[in-house]
Amino acid sequence: ELKVEQNPLFLSMQEEKNYTIYCNYSTTSDRLYWYRQDPGKSLESLFVLLSNGAVKQEGRLMASLDTKARLSTLHITAAVHDLSATYFCAVNGNEKLTFGTGTRLTIIP
Amino acid sequence: NAGVTQTPKFQVLKTGQSMTLQCAQDMNHEYMSWYRQDPGMGLRLIHYSVGAGITDQGEVPNGYNVSRSTTEDFPLRLLSAAPSQTSVYFCASSGVAYGYTFGSGTRLTVV
Repeated sequence: ELKVEQNPLFLSMQEEKNYTIYCNYSTTSDRLYWYRQDPGKSLESLFVLLSNGAVKQEGRLMASLDTKARLSTLHITAAVHDLSATYFCAVNGNEKLTFGTGTRLTIIP
Repeated sequence: NAGVTQTPKFQVLKTGQSMTLQCAQDMNHEYMSWYRQDPGMGLRLIHYSVGAGITDQGEVPNGYNVSRSTTEDFPLRLLSAAPSQTSVYFCASSGVAYGYTFGSGTRLTVV
C-alpha cells in the first residue's frame, strides 16, 4: 500500500524567508503532483513531476523529484503573503492517487 | 471552459437518507475519481474509474456506490447517510497529459 508523508504539517514563515516542504512516499511511482488549496476552495495544480531529477519552477515555488530516495521537495523562495495556503503532494500508484496530509503554510508579515 | 462540474455545492442530509452527488467533465478524460477531505487527513480516494463501464474501489469505499455509464459522468451515491460521511467531496478527472482536474467540491453534512 502506497503511503505518502509530508512534513511539516504546519509552517509559519516570515516574509522574504526561504523554506522547504518535504514529501516522502513508500513505493515506486512514476508521477508526483503538488497542489495548492485555499480555505474553502478546490485544489489548484502546481506541478507534475514525471521523472527522476525533474525540477520545475513557477514564480517563488520550485519542486523537485528524487525517485531513488522517494522524495520530493517544494521550495519556497522569499515568501510573500499570497503564498499562504495548504500545500499537498500526491503520488500516483496503480491508477490511484494518494495524498499527503498537507502542509498549512502561513506567511507572517 | 467547464472542466469538472460538481453538484450540489452544499447539502444537508438526515441520517439514513440517500442521495447522489453528481460529477461531469467535458474534457473527454477516461479516468475519473471521487475523494473525501476531512480535517487533518488530506484527501482519501473513495472510488475511481478508468473508463466507461469500469469502476473500482479506493481507500474508503464503504457506504458509497458509483457507476460509469458514459465517459462524461461519474455519480457518487450515498446509500444510507451516516454522520461519519460528513465531509467535503471532490471529483477529479485525468487525461493523457497526466494532470488531474478537480471539481469545486460538495460540502455534505449528515445530521
